[in-house]
Amino acid sequence: GEDVEQSLFLSVREGDSSVINCTYTDSSSTYLYWYKQEPGAGLQLLTYIFSNMDMKQDQRLTVLLNKKDKHLSLRIADTQTGDSAIYFCAEIPRGSTLGRLYFGRGTQLTVWP
Amino acid sequence: GAGVSQTPSNKVTEKGKYVELRCDPISGHTALYWYRQSLGQGPEFLIYFQGTGAADDSGLPNDRFFAVRPEGSVSTLKIQRTERGDSAVYLCASRAKRGTGELFFGEGSRLTVL
Repeated sequence: GEDVEQSLFLSVREGDSSVINCTYTDSSSTYLYWYKQEPGAGLQLLTYIFSNMDMKQDQRLTVLLNKKDKHLSLRIADTQTGDSAIYFCAEIPRGSTLGRLYFGRGTQLTVWP
Repeated sequence: GAGVSQTPSNKVTEKGKYVELRCDPISGHTALYWYRQSLGQGPEFLIYFQGTGAADDSGLPNDRFFAVRPEGSVSTLKIQRTERGDSAVYLCASRAKRGTGELFFGEGSRLTVL
């Protein structure tokens, strides 16, 4: 079965950059996603990247994709206390149902003031 | 509605009881998904509806789980003979037919089986 790996915890100081790493399973995955989950809230899509891209930047967010190593990272610049949440990496392997996401266990990001 | 709505937000039941969880997707979204998130885990896919029919139900863990979407809008996830291992947050998501393919998630229904 699919097994997306993420480190479970990350702590940073406010104003620093955060880097959350993920290893996914299918080198043919066409879409890779980062979702954010705040306490008591549903999942919110932060950003996604297509497999034909190496990098995507969206304001404070930078996504890097290394297909050879099946490694995905999310960098948050100038991290704020409001960024404290759980961040999930997810993939849709080639041939899978559209919208059938395979999630990692999530990385709990804690931002200290 | 403005977002995906799920009811109840919390449900406590006893082992062996029957439970129904409801999802009201974003108006006009034809695709609807159910996921289950156990404590400390990422969400796991259960079932996907395109319109009224279940296009992929291969994530349902066993035959105690069933879901319907009779009119292509609201969906109900039904769990028979609940077990303690069914305790989790059940998430519903919907997707527009066109666009980026983004899933919009509800806040979930937290099920606790005592």
